[in-house]
Amino acid sequence: EAGVAQSPRYKIIEKRQSVAFWCNPISGHATLYWYQQILGQGPKLLIQFQNNGVVDDSQLPKDRFSAERLKGVDSTLKIQPAKLEDSAVYLCASSFVSDSTGELFFGEGSRLTVL
Amino acid sequence: GENVEQHPSTLSVQEGDSAVIKCTYSDSASNYFPWYKQELGKRPQLIIDIRSNVGEKKDQRIAVTLNKTAKHFSLHITETQPEDSAVYFCAGTAPRDGNNRLAFGKGNQVVVIP
Repeated sequence: EAGVAQSPRYKIIEKRQSVAFWCNPISGHATLYWYQQILGQGPKLLIQFQNNGVVDDSQLPKDRFSAERLKGVDSTLKIQPAKLEDSAVYLCASSFVSDSTGELFFGEGSRLTVL
Repeated sequence: GENVEQHPSTLSVQEGDSAVIKCTYSDSASNYFPWYKQELGKRPQLIIDIRSNVGEKKDQRIAVTLNKTAKHFSLHITETQPEDSAVYFCAGTAPRDGNNRLAFGKGNQVVVIP
């Protein structure tokens, strides 16, 4: 079974530039999550999708972050404009369970460095 | 919302000894508590989880205990091996605005000394 795919693995940009990350979840997983993991900290939920609908985006900085999952499968996370404090690993995860009480399958992550 | 704290932040153990990591949570409505292991540069992976209607769960060398009264749960690793060296994240799921949100702790670095 293929795992969660993410790209790019690494990205270096200057502040105020924009960046986009892509995620392809495990086939059949309706729930998709984007987490931000700053060095030395635990993953922090940015947004949760159920199929192509947003379930929870209360911790997403909406003035600069946006995410979509148009066809209920792949998802993109965009940051525009980036700030220094956005440097982190952006983890995508998917789950068969819809209520956050089941296993999350994480991708390898996209490491962002903002200079 | 849920707030999850982990102690100690770093734990060093001799190979073969046991390691225990404790997590406390704030929301008494929390009902699901997983533990994820993240090796250096790799993705977090679920190693064990427990639900609020169970007090203890064991899987080979790994066990998790839950104390709902004190609002804490602990990960126990017995007969530690070098491959157990990693960061371990506890998490808790609590209802929020009609949905469940999974909140992670900051992680515990476990170092197994050969």
